[in-house]
Amino acid sequence: QKEVEQNSGPLSVPEGAIASLNCTYSDRGSQSFFWYRQYSGKSPELIMSIYSNGDKEDGRFTAQLNKASQYVSLLIRDSQPSDSATYLCAVGARGFKTIFGAGTRLFVKA
Amino acid sequence: DADVTQTPRNRITKTGKRIMLECSQTKGHDRMYWYRQDPGLGLRLIYYSFDVKDINKGEISDGYSVSRQAQAKFSLSLESAIPNQTALYFCATSDSSGSPDTQYFGPGTRLTVL
Repeated sequence: QKEVEQNSGPLSVPEGAIASLNCTYSDRGSQSFFWYRQYSGKSPELIMSIYSNGDKEDGRFTAQLNKASQYVSLLIRDSQPSDSATYLCAVGARGFKTIFGAGTRLFVKA
Repeated sequence: DADVTQTPRNRITKTGKRIMLECSQTKGHDRMYWYRQDPGLGLRLIYYSFDVKDINKGEISDGYSVSRQAQAKFSLSLESAIPNQTALYFCATSDSSGSPDTQYFGPGTRLTVL
């Protein structure tokens, strides 16, 4: 079992819709959770971090964390073609090292 | 100027050659990392360093070595490059006094080994 799992996609949504990206992790001791956006050929860029159960909103982005289910998700509201990218879920273990998922490709159709 | 820089940005080399990739940062972070990225495999950790005197192997360190010359500089070497080391390489930093798990990435080096 991979430590951080994501559906590779591609996930295709129409412009203006909500995109929902999901991630599960195996280490119950994990304490920090991140979503990075990566455009093709570019470096990952941090878009959201979340540390406690529940929802965290930042503009059009909402991160959701459920530690009991070992599940973290990212919702993108009013999706735009510029949101088309690969989204990497990352899980931190007490400041030791961060484990990245393989990423989900999102395609927003204009 | 970028906070995390990598040189070179692109490199094509031949099997058996020694290659060095360099990373510099102006963020003042104490922790630095080297990752490689292959299609469908995500980011895999090669080496990491929590301070100048601390070097640790990641999950795929075979065939690689590193040097932490200063807090701001972390180099990755391929002693004898082989074709399956063709990949996109990223340097990253984090701050143990802030959010130690939050990583900031350089622009990447695309390495091709023929």
